[in-house]
Amino acid sequence: GESVGLHLPTLSVQEGDNSIINCAYSNSASDYFIWYKQESGKGPQFIIDIRSNMDKRQGQRVTVLLNKTVKHLSLQIAATQPGDSAVYFCAENSQGGKLIFGQGTELSVKP
Amino acid sequence: DVKVTQSSRYLVKRTGEKVFLECVQDMDHENMFWYRQDPGLGLRLIYFSYDVKMKEKGDIPEGYSVSREKKERFSLILESASTNQTSMYLCASSFGTAGNTIYFGEGSWLTVV
Repeated sequence: GESVGLHLPTLSVQEGDNSIINCAYSNSASDYFIWYKQESGKGPQFIIDIRSNMDKRQGQRVTVLLNKTVKHLSLQIAATQPGDSAVYFCAENSQGGKLIFGQGTELSVKP
Repeated sequence: DVKVTQSSRYLVKRTGEKVFLECVQDMDHENMFWYRQDPGLGLRLIYFSYDVKMKEKGDIPEGYSVSREKKERFSLILESASTNQTSMYLCASSFGTAGNTIYFGEGSWLTVV
């Protein structure tokens, strides 16, 4: 069935290093993907999105890569800062138009 | 910026009580959603609405109902709250066709005792 999953439940990085958060999806028909950031006690916040006709998209300090061949999505955060500590979710646009969310990866930034 | 506002951040209710969770968005979005979020289970869709007075069941509608009388407002109703409905509830909205970016509110923490 459809599923969106994350390879690692937790990720710990040193401040200033780059972070890479991965996501696997199973629905090859999905054509739109989103990354969200959720800080403790808050709602998910949109970070960046990508459509299936692209393989890379860059934002401010963030890059999303899409590999449709292996159905893999990643979020790269450059020069990770303490304020980046949060849970990161990927989501895919399934058939029927509903977003399916992954479980999330908790990013911890060490000073 | 998109603003999705959930009126109650923290609620404590007794078993059997009727509970209303209110949500308002200020971006004239057609679509509105209610999710619940639980540890280990992620985000699960309860109900959604594509237009005023329209509603569609999500993945876990049992024990819930919704109301959308105005485009900007989407209410989640627990007719008779139970302890297994203790959770964080997230309202969200999106523009246009289904599958566009969903913007979330800050969440409502509901505890049923």
